[in-house]
Amino acid sequence: AQKITQTQPGMFVQEKEAVTLDCTYDTSDPSYGLFWYKQPSSGEMIFLIYQGSYDQQNATEGRYSLNFQKARKSANLVISASQLGDSAMYFCAMREAFRGGSEKLVFGKGTKLTVNP
Amino acid sequence: NAGVTQTPKFRILKIGQSMTLQCTQDMNHNYMYWYRQDPGMGLKLIYYSVGAGITDKGEVPNGYNVSRSTTEDFPLRLELAAPSQTSVYFCASSYSTLAGLTDTQYFGPGTRLTVL
Repeated sequence: AQKITQTQPGMFVQEKEAVTLDCTYDTSDPSYGLFWYKQPSSGEMIFLIYQGSYDQQNATEGRYSLNFQKARKSANLVISASQLGDSAMYFCAMREAFRGGSEKLVFGKGTKLTVNP
Repeated sequence: NAGVTQTPKFRILKIGQSMTLQCTQDMNHNYMYWYRQDPGMGLKLIYYSVGAGITDKGEVPNGYNVSRSTTEDFPLRLELAAPSQTSVYFCASSYSTLAGLTDTQYFGPGTRLTVL
């Protein structure tokens, strides 16, 4: 079963408008972390925002905010005032326990965001 | 700080050839990782290391080997390259406390590998 589900293969938004990218997750571990990464066409993975499972408030970083609904197991990324440079793939990832007490990231399949002028 | 650097950026291999993908980080992170990204997919963990001299398999380790002789370097070795190893390879690093809680993973720019 998928642990990270991103149901939107592609999204379109007009420049200067807000857009929400969906992410749901599945874990039985009470301690976990959720990340969003941006991958532009150049290919690098850029960290955007992090939400810990025990954080009381939704994370915000500039124009990025994370709408964290723990009971629904969702961690949607909200981008406000979209810019042309926001066009990219966006990946939701969850940190989970791995062998030997270590941790690893589990990634969703991504959402391709296109910002139209 | 350069962050996480990877070389080469692109490489074409013939079936059966071998190569080493280089990864270096200058953030003094103890954890390092290798992921592969297949077309239209998220990243999958190949190998990881919790410190110099300590490595372990990830989700998809077959066909790869790693070593970690220093904190900074974490090379990935492909032996007997196969078309199934055509992918984009990302190296990442993070800081982990003694309690095993890891901070954000920071990624290198990736290596695009094609095996023909």
